[in-house]
Amino acid sequence: AQSVTQLDSQVPVFEEAPVELRCNYSSSVSVYLFWYVQYPNQGLQLLLKYLSGSTLVKGINGFEAEFNKSQTSFHLRKPSVHISDTAEYFCAIGEGAQKLVFGQGTRLTINP
Amino acid sequence: AAGVIQSPRHLIKEKRETATLKCYPIPRHDTVYWYQQGPGQDPQFLISFYEKMQSDKGSIPDRFSAQQFSDYHSELNMSSLELGDSALYFCASSSRRGLNHEQYFGPGTRLTVT
Repeated sequence: AQSVTQLDSQVPVFEEAPVELRCNYSSSVSVYLFWYVQYPNQGLQLLLKYLSGSTLVKGINGFEAEFNKSQTSFHLRKPSVHISDTAEYFCAIGEGAQKLVFGQGTRLTINP
Repeated sequence: AAGVIQSPRHLIKEKRETATLKCYPIPRHDTVYWYQQGPGQDPQFLISFYEKMQSDKGSIPDRFSAQQFSDYHSELNMSSLELGDSALYFCASSSRRGLNHEQYFGPGTRLTVT
């Protein structure tokens, strides 16, 4: 069975500070990893994905994530956050065309 | 670019009523997924369809049923609604012919059961 653990339920940071949202996963097979963002009262938008190849993945809005197989992690980072990055962030794991299993979400709050 | 369309966007029902949620996938996408997101929760997989056949089933109550039609749109039917069914219901679509394995999510239907 697959599972995803997001280690922080809430992360408050100041504007223009760097941020890291942590995600660990568990799976017995090779998987694909995703980060989605959900703004208040909106749907899920894909930030970035890891399918194979380079372990450093760059996404939209200046976000990037690094796949670490030995540590079974896929942490999301941004060097300088903006007020507009305030949202809920979900890490997800998937197998090919199968369902996505989501983590519990991390609420990122940006303070001025 | 065309996105996943869900209707209605908001729905208010009373206990024991029925509800039907509709999903129109991105053109040429052959797979549809349904997810349920309760208040303050992560999305939970309910059911998926590939080429109009059920391909996977998750934690979907027996009171719920779904199908995918010949034009690839999908409907989630919910009967004997309970207060706990109040949630945001997402539909996502993907193409198995593609290699990016990305699921594109619709804006969701917010169901409120009173």
